[in-house]
Amino acid sequence: GAGVSQSPSNKVTEKGKDVELRCDPISGHTALYWYRQSLGQGLEFLIYFQGNSAPDKSGLPSDRFSAERTGGSVSTLTIQRTQQEDSAVYLCASSLPGLAGGLGTTGELFFGEGSRLTVL
Amino acid sequence: GENVEQHPSTLSVQEGDSAVIKCTYSDSASNYFPWYKQELGKGPQLIIDIRSNVGEKKDQRIAVTLNKTAKHFSLHITETQPEDSAVYFCAARDQAGTALIFGKGTTLSVSS
Repeated sequence: GAGVSQSPSNKVTEKGKDVELRCDPISGHTALYWYRQSLGQGLEFLIYFQGNSAPDKSGLPSDRFSAERTGGSVSTLTIQRTQQEDSAVYLCASSLPGLAGGLGTTGELFFGEGSRLTVL
Repeated sequence: GENVEQHPSTLSVQEGDSAVIKCTYSDSASNYFPWYKQELGKGPQLIIDIRSNVGEKKDQRIAVTLNKTAKHFSLHITETQPEDSAVYFCAARDQAGTALIFGKGTTLSVSS
C-alpha cells in the first residue's frame, strides 16, 4: 500500500517568504508527527497530532512555525518569514492508533522521504 | 523532558566485524526504545525495538540490550555487510501517546 507522502520533495525559497509543507499519512493512522533533520543534529521533534488535536507542540522552535491537521488526515506545516537557519529536511511520520482503552500508539513510526527546504 | 545521547557519531568497520552503538536516556519513566535505520535520501525505518520489561532482544544479525538501572541501551550488529552502511538512530518514549525523542544518529560505514 501507499506509504507516507510528503510534498514538495524540494523547496528553495528566499529569506522572509512563507512556506507550506504537506504530509499525507498512511490511511488509518491517527497519529502524525513532524520532525526536522538538520546536518549533524539528528531528528528534532517539532509537533505531534492525535487525530486533529495537537497534544504536544513543545518542539516548535518559534512562533513562526505552525501546523494543522484537518479531517484526521493531511497535515500542513507552515513556516512564516523563513530564516536561513530553517534550512533542513522536514520529515513527517504516522503511526497506528493505540490499544483499546488508551490514546497511545503502538510504537512504530512510518516516515515519509521528507521535504528538503533551502532558504537563501 | 526526555533527552537521548548517542555514541559514536561515526563508526567504520570491516565487513564481517561487529558494530555497537550506545545510547543513554534521561527520563526513568521511558519504557519504549526503538532503533531506526536511515539510508541516503530515505526516511528512517524501524529495525528493532525493545520495551522496558525485556533486557535483550535479537532479530537475526541485530540485537538490542537494555539496562534500565543505568538508563542505557545498545544496538549490536554482527557479521556486518556493506548494505548495513547507513545512519542509525536510537529513540526513547516515556508513555504511549507521546512523541519519540531521537538521538543525533550514528553514521555506520562497512567496507568490504
